[in-house]
Amino acid sequence: GAVVSQHPSRVICKSGTSVKIECRSLDFQATTMFWYRQFPKQSLMLMATSNEGSKATYEQGVEKDKFLINHASLTLSTLTVTSAHPEDSSFYICSARTTGGNTEAFFGQGTRLTVV
Amino acid sequence: AQKVTQAQTEISVVEKEDVTLDCVYETRDTTYYLFWYKQPPSGELVFLIRRNSFDEQNEISGRYSWNFQKSTSSFNFTITASQVVDSAVYFCALSEEGTGRRALTFGSGTRLQVQP
Repeated sequence: GAVVSQHPSRVICKSGTSVKIECRSLDFQATTMFWYRQFPKQSLMLMATSNEGSKATYEQGVEKDKFLINHASLTLSTLTVTSAHPEDSSFYICSARTTGGNTEAFFGQGTRLTVV
Repeated sequence: AQKVTQAQTEISVVEKEDVTLDCVYETRDTTYYLFWYKQPPSGELVFLIRRNSFDEQNEISGRYSWNFQKSTSSFNFTITASQVVDSAVYFCALSEEGTGRRALTFGSGTRLQVQP
């Protein structure tokens, strides 16, 4: 089946630095990808919808200038956490949906971000 | 707006017991998908099942079974003869297809602990 690959799986960065997370659809084209955030022992919350070739759509309360999303190709979306702070420490996971009547929702492996 | 409720925060059973995880959803859309995912401690989401709103047939896959009832807006998940390896957090999720919002809305999750 289709696979979504996310990298890195784990990253530790210093407060004030930026971190880029990549999400790739390996064997299908994804015009739309989704970015979720999961704090410890909580559910997955949608942060933004990434649209290939256009601006991302952010959920209410998510700072678009802090969480930069780029979807430059049909197989790659990136999330950059700018000027990271300890409160940004979380599990970030991307997803892509196939199109058509038998649509699937595939998830990356997730990235555990720790800001120190 | 769409909503998924998993009222059971945590369930603990002894191995070989049957356990049912409840999921109730809300949506105004007539075309939607329901999903169940398993999240082990590693964090990755393991796909279990997808069901569309037009298919109310119950499904059985090995020790897993799902009961979809539109009349009560429920999509419950039963594990028969539970095993220690079933210990994880289980998420129910909904996507509204008619509105074009293809992101998944997740419930809060149910943590299942299977004791040996």
